[in-house]
Amino acid sequence: DSGVTQTPKHLITATGQRVTLRCSPRSGDLSVYWYQQSLDQGLQFLIQYYNGEERAKGNILERFSAQQFPDLHSELNLSSLELGDSALYFCASSVLPPTYGYTFGSGTRLTVV
Amino acid sequence: AQSVAQPEDQVNVAEGNPLTVKCTYSVSGNPYLFWYVQYPNRGLQFLLKYITGDNLVKGSYGFEAEFNKSQTSFHLKKPSALVSDSALYFCAVRDLGYGGSQGNLIFGKGTKLSVKP
Repeated sequence: DSGVTQTPKHLITATGQRVTLRCSPRSGDLSVYWYQQSLDQGLQFLIQYYNGEERAKGNILERFSAQQFPDLHSELNLSSLELGDSALYFCASSVLPPTYGYTFGSGTRLTVV
Repeated sequence: AQSVAQPEDQVNVAEGNPLTVKCTYSVSGNPYLFWYVQYPNRGLQFLLKYITGDNLVKGSYGFEAEFNKSQTSFHLKKPSALVSDSALYFCAVRDLGYGGSQGNLIFGKGTKLSVKP
């Protein structure tokens, strides 16, 4: 157990639907990062939050959004889902600066049918 | 721009042989370098890091990495590979640039290591 908790582990949904992925960071970590991992595109950085505020944005689609709550857990919202959104979605957390790296959760596997 | 490269998509090694997974980096300033391993359907797990000090860094599961400043490389090594080492390996460097992403890790594309009995 890495200390980063992601739920759900698996999600199957239909095209056009909306889903929410949840992440609880490791205790003491204020920064949360979201990544998408698909077979053909490797590990893609989506977005970072620090203590409730958006800090950095990567290759995140407009159909996707995220937020970090006062208790530091974070949610990634994916809407108008397409088949190509099927992927593993990882959350990671760290202190800032991340001198000792990130701690990753075990991921949510999203399948869009 | 800060970047990290893993030139090999896949590395094949026989069990018991030494293994090397290559990583090169480009940063301005002193690099903070990391290796992570990902087993199938799992998250990335930290293996080792270089921040400063000895160029040979020892990590988990018998892995080590050698920092070479002149060649801007941080290759992952293990003297004797195990079948259970088969996984996806990611090299990462801390972004020392400017802007909101300063300090964030930049990951390579990953190298698939396959160890055959």
